Amino acid sequence: DTGVSQDPRHKITKRGQNVTFRCDPISEHNRLYWYRQTLGQGPEFLTYFQNEAQLEKSRLLSDRFSAERPKGSFSTLEIQRTEQGDSAMYLCASSLIQSLNTEAFFGQGTRLTVV
Amino acid sequence: GQQLNQSPQSMFIQEGEDVSMNCTSSSIFNTWLWYKQDPGEGPVLLIALYKAGELTSNGRLTAQFGITRKDSFLNISASIPSDVGIYFCAGQSPMTTDSWGKFQFGAGTQVVVTP
Repeated sequence: DTGVSQDPRHKITKRGQNVTFRCDPISEHNRLYWYRQTLGQGPEFLTYFQNEAQLEKSRLLSDRFSAERPKGSFSTLEIQRTEQGDSAMYLCASSLIQSLNTEAFFGQGTRLTVV
Repeated sequence: GQQLNQSPQSMFIQEGEDVSMNCTSSSIFNTWLWYKQDPGEGPVLLIALYKAGELTSNGRLTAQFGITRKDSFLNISASIPSDVGIYFCAGQSPMTTDSWGKFQFGAGTQVVVTP
């Protein structure tokens, strides 16, 4: 396992369609995070999981967004009825929470374009 | 939204020059991370800082955790063309164990190196 893996790397979809992204974290990591990044900005937190439990959701995550991590390994992020404002880079990160000292490692991201 | 102020927004420097950038926060953090992001890629972790006053190096990169725990800076010495990219700071709040691994990001510093 060489790092966090995201699929697909790029997705172009028509407005109103549903899309699903996948993230495979570093295998021994127990936390998985989803961030969204728009042009010229840093990543913004969306949600995160401790094993299979979703612990927090940002108010950025509207009802059209849902994330799962069913077996505490890979995670999916689904966006329903996509809107042009959903166009962004969606980043997944993972970390091993053992102490206060922790680091988050990111995948290469999924670039979503809604046309 | 983001609570970190990162400056400068961009830097245009000549190869061989040193680069310095910083982040400030309105609240204290217990961890500072510095990332580099290339176009179309996810952020790559450069340096992690865990103690106030800590000074850490990674090759030509040096970062410090501010004494007040509300700021951090990153220096790049003797810049080379491959230093081009966007550098992000990220801070972790010490509030609860749930916040461990969840980071707030600055808006980034764009570094351009000219020969």
